[in-house]
Amino acid sequence: DGGITQSPKYLFRKEGQNVTLSCEQNLNHDAMYWYRQDPGQGLRLIYYSQIVNDFQKGDIAEGYSVSREKKESFPLTVTSAQKNPTAFYLCASRRGISLYNEQFFGPGTRLTVL
Amino acid sequence: RKEVEQDPGPFNVPEGATVAFNCTYSNSASQSFFWYRQDCRKEPKLLMSVYSSGNEDGRFTAQLNRASQYISLLIRDSKLSDSATYLCVVNARDSNYQLIWGAGTKLIIKP
Repeated sequence: DGGITQSPKYLFRKEGQNVTLSCEQNLNHDAMYWYRQDPGQGLRLIYYSQIVNDFQKGDIAEGYSVSREKKESFPLTVTSAQKNPTAFYLCASRRGISLYNEQFFGPGTRLTVL
Repeated sequence: RKEVEQDPGPFNVPEGATVAFNCTYSNSASQSFFWYRQDCRKEPKLLMSVYSSGNEDGRFTAQLNRASQYISLLIRDSKLSDSATYLCVVNARDSNYQLIWGAGTKLIIKP
């Protein structure tokens, strides 16, 4: 089945630790995105990538880093510089950057800082 | 003013009723629009794309009003399973092809 997988589903981090969230897609989509969602709020864009080896900051990139070494993979690292990382993290992909291409999402990772 | 605004609700609606809610957007250059559905603690899933003047899919109808810069979602004969948060999404040319997300409208269908 084609789709987007994220792991782990739940992640607990101690303060001061870096953690990496995995996102893999087998849809052959060019573009990939990372969002953060806090309770009762909409999705906020962290980073996005339109092609391999290229990515751009979104609205809330501070304290996060990404890489795009392969088309199907777009891992997100939450660094110790991110002061309030507890949130629901969603990875998404799009076939291209055409205006009419919708986004598809993975099941998300819930990160909790202890 | 937020780029995409939605009434957070919740909308409490009896089963079988018709419910409608709107989403306003600020960028007049916006070209395409989507409605997503998000269940509690789950990922958003595409409900409908909204092109030109709008479209219909079964019990769901989406309308676009460019002059007033809003899109609407109408749900007829509502089911208990329609309970969810409905997210409005706008894709605008001058946003580097990013999608701009509303915070969502929560809908609760009651038996």
